Amino acid sequence: DGGITQSPKYLFRKEGQNVTLSCEQNLNHDAMYWYRQDPGQGLRLIYYSQIVNDFQKGDIAEGYSVSREKKESFPLTVTSAQKNPTAFYLCASSIGRGPWSSYNSPLHFGNGTRLTVT
Amino acid sequence: AQKITQTQPGMFVQEKEAVTLDCTYDTSDPSYGLFWYKQPSSGEMIFLIYQGSYDQQNATEGRYSLNFQKARKSANLVISASQLGDSAMYFCAMVWWYGGSQGNLIFGKGTKLSVKP
Repeated sequence: DGGITQSPKYLFRKEGQNVTLSCEQNLNHDAMYWYRQDPGQGLRLIYYSQIVNDFQKGDIAEGYSVSREKKESFPLTVTSAQKNPTAFYLCASSIGRGPWSSYNSPLHFGNGTRLTVT
Repeated sequence: AQKITQTQPGMFVQEKEAVTLDCTYDTSDPSYGLFWYKQPSSGEMIFLIYQGSYDQQNATEGRYSLNFQKARKSANLVISASQLGDSAMYFCAMVWWYGGSQGNLIFGKGTKLSVKP
């Protein structure tokens, strides 16, 4: 079955360390996204990529970095510059270049990674 | 600026009854789309239903229907015949189109639905 795989499900890191969250999709989707979710909050966009080797900052990109070397993969690095990194991180993909490519094309989400930094 | 508001942090419904989850939005763009997602305790986001701003009829998908009132800028989700498995967080989201450019998908803060047996 096609889908999006995020690993690991739970991740623990010490403050000051960089950490990379994995996101792989086999849906042949062009666009991929990273969202952050805090308790009692909706999702906020960190970064998105509409095509390989290209990505754009979302609303809360500070302290994060991404790469898109392959269509299937969009890893997110949470750097030590991110002041409040503890959160639930969701990766998503969509068919075309943007979640609205066919205007009603929904995002497909992975199961998320819960990052705890102490 | 675009905005999505879900005013019900939590709701309870009796099994087999219908429930309405509220969502209001704010945009000055005429072209936009509204989505509803379900997030169980396991964390994944599950797409439920979509409504486009130019759609004449309210969207329906199985037990889910969207009560779209464009003039009031509301897009409430109606779940009929609630089941225990419907207990989850529900998020309303919006995407918009302006002058050839497309905005990002923005989410409301969610409503936690609990179905009682």
